[in-house]
Amino acid sequence: ETGVTQSPTHLIKTRGQQVTLRCSSQSGHNTVSWYQQALGQGPQFIFQYYREEENGRGNFPPRFSGLQFPNYSSELNVNALELDDSALYLCASSLRGRRDRVTSGANVLTFGAGSRLTVL
Amino acid sequence: GQQLNQSPQSMFIQEGEDVSMNCTSSSIFNTWLWYKQDPGEGPVLLIALYKAGELTSNGRLTAQFGITRKDSFLNISASIPSDVGIYFCAGLQAGGTSYGKLTFGQGTILTVHP
Repeated sequence: ETGVTQSPTHLIKTRGQQVTLRCSSQSGHNTVSWYQQALGQGPQFIFQYYREEENGRGNFPPRFSGLQFPNYSSELNVNALELDDSALYLCASSLRGRRDRVTSGANVLTFGAGSRLTVL
Repeated sequence: GQQLNQSPQSMFIQEGEDVSMNCTSSSIFNTWLWYKQDPGEGPVLLIALYKAGELTSNGRLTAQFGITRKDSFLNISASIPSDVGIYFCAGLQAGGTSYGKLTFGQGTILTVHP
């Protein structure tokens, strides 16, 4: 069983630039969630993708956007980078069935190791 | 953004001691999860709780879903050096728009001295 893989593991950007982070979901999973983890904090929900559409979004501005592909992999794009965007970006996958309620066990997420973004 | 109130922020204990940490919220959660994160890694699920009052064990770990649905605790018995890491609680609120949106605590940093 292949786990969640993310790339790149580390990257450095300057303010105003754009970045794309990539995630391959765990084998058998169809849903991808993205989280931002600032240093010393818990992860913060950015958004989730299911069936190639955004399905739930946290308190992040529109310059944070994403995609999900037919093979369930996903990208997180951040435009106009700001210094406060420096963080560990975590991708998590899960398996959601069509009849899953919000509180089902499908909300148990499997996380990748993250992409460490530094904005200078 | 909203976070759960997790305490303590850090713990320094001797190997063999028991550990207890907890999470509280002003909001009701329908699912509570406990994760552990090691340096350079993503969080790994330890225990999942789905019903108020539920008490679940996983080896030396025991967690409970509070009756009020606003709190949870995690206990680790007979700690060992590999228990070192950051422990996070996470909750899922009810509501059709909240699918998959976990709210995390700030984490408890655990250090175990041999």
